[in-house]
Amino acid sequence: AQSVSQHNHHVILSEAASLELGCNYSYGGTVNLFWYVQYPGQHLQLLLKYFSGDPLVKGIKGFEAEFIKSKFSFNLRKPSVQWSDTAEYFCAVNDYGGSQGNLIFGKGTKLSVKP
Amino acid sequence: KAGVTQTPRYLIKTRGQQVTLSCSPISGHRSVSWYQQTPGQGLQFLFEYFSETQRNKGNFPGRFSGRQFSNSRSEMNVSTLELGDSALYLCASSPLGVSNTGELFFGEGSRLTVL
Repeated sequence: AQSVSQHNHHVILSEAASLELGCNYSYGGTVNLFWYVQYPGQHLQLLLKYFSGDPLVKGIKGFEAEFIKSKFSFNLRKPSVQWSDTAEYFCAVNDYGGSQGNLIFGKGTKLSVKP
Repeated sequence: KAGVTQTPRYLIKTRGQQVTLSCSPISGHRSVSWYQQTPGQGLQFLFEYFSETQRNKGNFPGRFSGRQFSNSRSEMNVSTLELGDSALYLCASSPLGVSNTGELFFGEGSRLTVL
């Protein structure tokens, strides 16, 4: 069965620090990859996605992620975090051509940014 | 454009009771998925409906069921509630399914507490 691992449960950073959140998945076939974010008191929303093409994808609010197929990884990065980036971040995978509505989520990483 | 609406937002039930949760997707979206979110297990896929048909199902017992109506609104039902069913139940919609468009639009969830 597919699985998604997010190795950091809680990350605490100061403003302007760089961010990298790890995500690894277990699936040998073609995958679609996603990062979702849940700001405090708000619903989950899409941050960025990878379907095909350039393995470096850019999302909203200055976030980017790099798909490294050989490492089964899809790490999220941001060069300089802001207090408003405090949220929970979820990596997710959907097997290409598989079930239409099934995303497998990692358990999430809480990011706390100190002002 | 209205987002995904879930009702009720909060509810408290006792063991053995049943509960029905409702979800109104974004207008024009035909796919509705349900997820259970708990601190220990994270986000877990329950099922997905498309054009009134269950298209995919996660690994939950038969006490969890759902349906979709012709206007794409969906309901999920949990019978014979157990303490472990306490969770945030999230509904997500998309036009044709996550493999097609790459994005799920989530509601704010229904928080169920079982006493």
